[in-house]
Amino acid sequence: AAGVIQSPRHLIKEKRETATLKCYPIPRHDTVYWYQQGPGQDPQFLISFYEKMQSDKGSIPDRFSAQQFSDYHSELNMSSLELGDSALYFCASSPVGGAHYGYTFGSGTRLTVV
Amino acid sequence: AQTVTQSQPEMSVQEAETVTLSCTYDTSESDYYLFWYKQPPSRQMILVIRQEAYKQQNATENRFSVNFQKAAKSFSLKISDSQLGDAAMYFCAYRSARNTDKLIFGTGTRLQVFP
Repeated sequence: AAGVIQSPRHLIKEKRETATLKCYPIPRHDTVYWYQQGPGQDPQFLISFYEKMQSDKGSIPDRFSAQQFSDYHSELNMSSLELGDSALYFCASSPVGGAHYGYTFGSGTRLTVV
Repeated sequence: AQTVTQSQPEMSVQEAETVTLSCTYDTSESDYYLFWYKQPPSRQMILVIRQEAYKQQNATENRFSVNFQKAAKSFSLKISDSQLGDAAMYFCAYRSARNTDKLIFGTGTRLQVFP
């Protein structure tokens, strides 16, 4: 079965650079969620989109932005990167009204800022 | 604000034995959903089991079952007949039934399985 696809799998950036993470949800899933998991920490909710509109917002820094496109894939743009942005970034998806069944997560993008 | 607490940073179990992972949560809401996610070394977050707060019956998925005590705000995970492949980080998570997408995770319990 198709899963949530995230790219790239690994990314190394320097401080003050920009990074773009991509997420391709499961077919017919129209809701996408982004989470950040710092080293040894639990995942923290960043933002979510439903039908290309932002549906909920968590602790996402102003330096980060995200959007969902017409094909339902989503991109997380991170600018002015800081060392503290080094983390595992998860994308998850669910069908409309199906979030209470639990999301399906991607394998994550490990971002390292040096 | 809701919080999720996992008081056991690490647990270990012998293969084929049973282990219980603890989770408590704090909320003023009456309707919500609870989940256990598994994160193996591959890093993928895998849904293990879910529970709807309005259902009194404890959820079961093969070797995995929960003990949901709504009044005590407790949601423990029992793994029976533990297997080496069960070794992972386990996260308990809460989601309000209100209009929010956010999953609130606990800090996780690392489970080791010994042969």
